Amino acid sequence: NAGVTQTPKFQVLKTGQSMTLQCAQDMNHNSMYWYRQDPGMGLRLIYYSASEGTTDKGEVPNGYNVSRLNKREFSLRLESAAPSQTSVYFCASSEARGGLTDTQYFGPGTRLTVL
Amino acid sequence: KNEVEQSPQNLTAQEGEFITINCSYSVGISALHWLQQHPGGGIVSLFMLSSGKKKHGRLIATINIQEKHSSLHITASHPRDSAVYICAGGGADGLTFGKGTHLIIQP
Repeated sequence: NAGVTQTPKFQVLKTGQSMTLQCAQDMNHNSMYWYRQDPGMGLRLIYYSASEGTTDKGEVPNGYNVSRLNKREFSLRLESAAPSQTSVYFCASSEARGGLTDTQYFGPGTRLTVL
Repeated sequence: KNEVEQSPQNLTAQEGEFITINCSYSVGISALHWLQQHPGGGIVSLFMLSSGKKKHGRLIATINIQEKHSSLHITASHPRDSAVYICAGGGADGLTFGKGTHLIIQP
């Protein structure tokens, strides 16, 4: 089992460019999450999907969109990147539907720099 | 809004020492998680607690629900325990993460 995989590992964008971060899990988990991690701050939830076909906003959703493509895949899109979106992005998954308090399994992260 | 406070922010200790990291959390949090972030950036869940105590190898996590406080202990610490340890509180809006404790164990 690969667990949770994310692509790409690193990305540099110019302000205004768009990109999609990909996440996939092979654990048959129902819930998936996108977080960002900034220096001096805890991980913050951007969006989550409590089950296939549903998505909900987290704490910091502005500037992002998500798609739960199927049970395995959950992508995060930046339509018009801004320097404030420079961060490390983590995808995670958990077993239960709507398992907001469950143990989460994290991907390796994507380090994004917006110039 | 749920809140989670960790202490200390930074901790340097000698190999073999007993380590304690503390976490206080607000009302509305029903489960407390401890995670480890490796120097390379990967994040691993260590424990999830809603009551009592859990042990895995040299790691022990405890929670006091009345005081809204949890501790992570490492016995016989080793340089490979060097990492950032993060506590996170689970509530209706998902996980609220502390800022982490950066632990360095020197040989």
